[in-house]
Amino acid sequence: EAGVTQSPTHLIKTRGQQATLRCSPISGHTSVYWYQQALGLGLQFLLWYDEGEERNRGNFPPRFSGRQFPNYSSELNVNALELEDSALYLCASSLLQGLMDEQYFGPGTRLTVT
Amino acid sequence: GESVGLHLPTLSVQEGDNSIINCAYSNSASDYFIWYKQESGKGPQFIIDIRSNMDKRQGQRVTVLLNKTVKHLSLQIAATQPGDSAVYFCAVVTGTASKLTFGTGTRLQVTL
Repeated sequence: EAGVTQSPTHLIKTRGQQATLRCSPISGHTSVYWYQQALGLGLQFLLWYDEGEERNRGNFPPRFSGRQFPNYSSELNVNALELEDSALYLCASSLLQGLMDEQYFGPGTRLTVT
Repeated sequence: GESVGLHLPTLSVQEGDNSIINCAYSNSASDYFIWYKQESGKGPQFIIDIRSNMDKRQGQRVTVLLNKTVKHLSLQIAATQPGDSAVYFCAVVTGTASKLTFGTGTRLQVTL
């Protein structure tokens, strides 16, 4: 069974541009989560999607947004990129609705903003 | 604790010894707790979880202890091996608030 996949692996953008990151959950999983992990730091919760709806978001500005498609894959969009947006963006999926379930993480997308 | 964005503390352990990694949380309504392991260049990987109606749960070489009185969670790794070297994160879920918070993480270094 394929795990969570993310694309691209690496993304280089300049300040002010927009970035789009993609995630495909494990087959059968309906919940998708996005996290930001700055270099050497912990994970910060960004967004949680389930059944196509945004269920919760972390303490991030509105220029961080996303969506979940009918096939449960998800997209994270970051507008007006700033240097401090440089980080590893991790996507995770879970089988059960809600947060009370093990999350399976993808390998991440490394976003570099110059 | 549950706050994120702080630099990771490090725990250095000799191969074969037991490791104990700690996590403190702040919300007494938190009801689900998970430990994740993150190796360099990879996403976090589930290790073990525990719900608030338990105070101990054991897996293969790992034990999680939950003390709700002092809001403290620990991960014990028995007979630590070089392959255990990684960053370990606790995650705390408050189901009623649909809130999940990751701890700051601890870098475990296993010395030979």
